[in-house]
Amino acid sequence: NAGVTQTPKFRVLKTGQSMTLLCAQDMNHEYMYWYRQDPGMGLRLIHYSVGEGTTAKGEVPDGYNVSRLKKQNFLLGLESAAPSQTSVYFCASSLGADQETQYFGPGTRLLVL
Amino acid sequence: GNSVTQMEGPVTLSEEAFLTINCTYTATGYPSLFWYVQYPGEGLQLLLKATKADDKGSNKGFEATYRKETTSFHLEKGSVQVSDSAVYFCALSSGGYQKVTFGIGTKLQVIP
Repeated sequence: NAGVTQTPKFRVLKTGQSMTLLCAQDMNHEYMYWYRQDPGMGLRLIHYSVGEGTTAKGEVPDGYNVSRLKKQNFLLGLESAAPSQTSVYFCASSLGADQETQYFGPGTRLLVL
Repeated sequence: GNSVTQMEGPVTLSEEAFLTINCTYTATGYPSLFWYVQYPGEGLQLLLKATKADDKGSNKGFEATYRKETTSFHLEKGSVQVSDSAVYFCALSSGGYQKVTFGIGTKLQVIP
């Protein structure tokens, strides 16, 4: 049982490049989330999903897109990376219904030059 | 909207000292409250939680009591260890779909 895994662990991009961050969970959780963590700002929700085939915007969705084609995977895409998107990205999942505890992946560190 | 306030730190303590990290919140309705911990290089993991007023969450010697009258959820531990060095996040869940609002995180450094 690996829990929540994220790929890649670290990436450097040039401004304007695109990339996809992959999150996978093996706990059969319904809900999945993408956060970004920045110094002095805690974690901010980018997008989330309450089930396969569904996505919704969080607090800071601009510049990102997501897809949840399979229940176990939640992809975060950056179509045209900007230096302001330099951050640490965390994926999380939760069982759903009234089970509120979120389980986090180890994070992806992204540097946009 | 919902918000969580905690000091950023760092908080530096000697081993076996008493720890308090303050957390206050603003929320509509009746939120659930959490403390998450992030060890260096890792993701967050749940430390403890409380789902209603006057509940006390506890785990690994840490505890926090849900105080609705003061809208607070302060984290305490009687005797910290070097291994407790981490960033501690206070958080609340309210408003559906289990969206969680996090504080900025408090860095704790415990020195031998």
